Amino acid sequence: QVQLQESGPGLVKPSQTLSLTCTVSGDSISSGTYYWTWIRQLPGKGLEWIGYIYYNGRTYYNPSLKSRVTILVDTSKNQFSLNLSSVTAADTAVYFCARDRDGYGGFDYWGQGTLVTVSS
Amino acid sequence: QSALTQPASVSGSPGQSITISCTGTSSDIGGHNYVSWYQQHPGKAPKLMIYDVSKRPSGVSNRFSGSKSGNTASLTISGLQPEDEADYYCSSYTSNGALVFGGGTELTVL
Repeated sequence: QVQLQESGPGLVKPSQTLSLTCTVSGDSISSGTYYWTWIRQLPGKGLEWIGYIYYNGRTYYNPSLKSRVTILVDTSKNQFSLNLSSVTAADTAVYFCARDRDGYGGFDYWGQGTLVTVSS
Repeated sequence: QSALTQPASVSGSPGQSITISCTGTSSDIGGHNYVSWYQQHPGKAPKLMIYDVSKRPSGVSNRFSGSKSGNTASLTISGLQPEDEADYYCSSYTSNGALVFGGGTELTVL
């Protein structure tokens, strides 16, 4: 059974960098079959796609966040991570990691989500 | 890119059928057959219900079906059940390689 689990600080100060890690079990990122994705859900609102990474490090980011986002992969640990720089209160959200079947959407496995609050 | 447009809410009685629409543009829904639908219960992660416009993942009830016409995709739920009450989101691949979601629709089973 494929499982994804987000981890990282639940509180980040404004202007700092938000850093989260997603640990994958039951599947190998190195298999090269899927795209590993970050998605966030703003409070009381809808979903926003942040970007994905492929096993070889190839990435694609949401154009609206591209200047602040970095997604990295560590195949030795079967993890991928999200860094979002220069955060503001508008970045307060539940952050999900998910597996994308083919890079065209179709997120078939999700982590439980982790709430990150941006506040001083 | 702008979010896809969904109705804020829909409702139906048990046993009835309902349809949720998702409207985009020729740069997303209209230009690609990569529309997905997700069900989200409160406090839970979204669950994939439909992908590639009309395909159902293993384990998803055949009461859920998807379709597309022009720039609008639709999710139909037949034989509505109380456990179907949830938020539903559509998503689409876009011509610039990004993914975009709809604003979500709250389904109430009366």
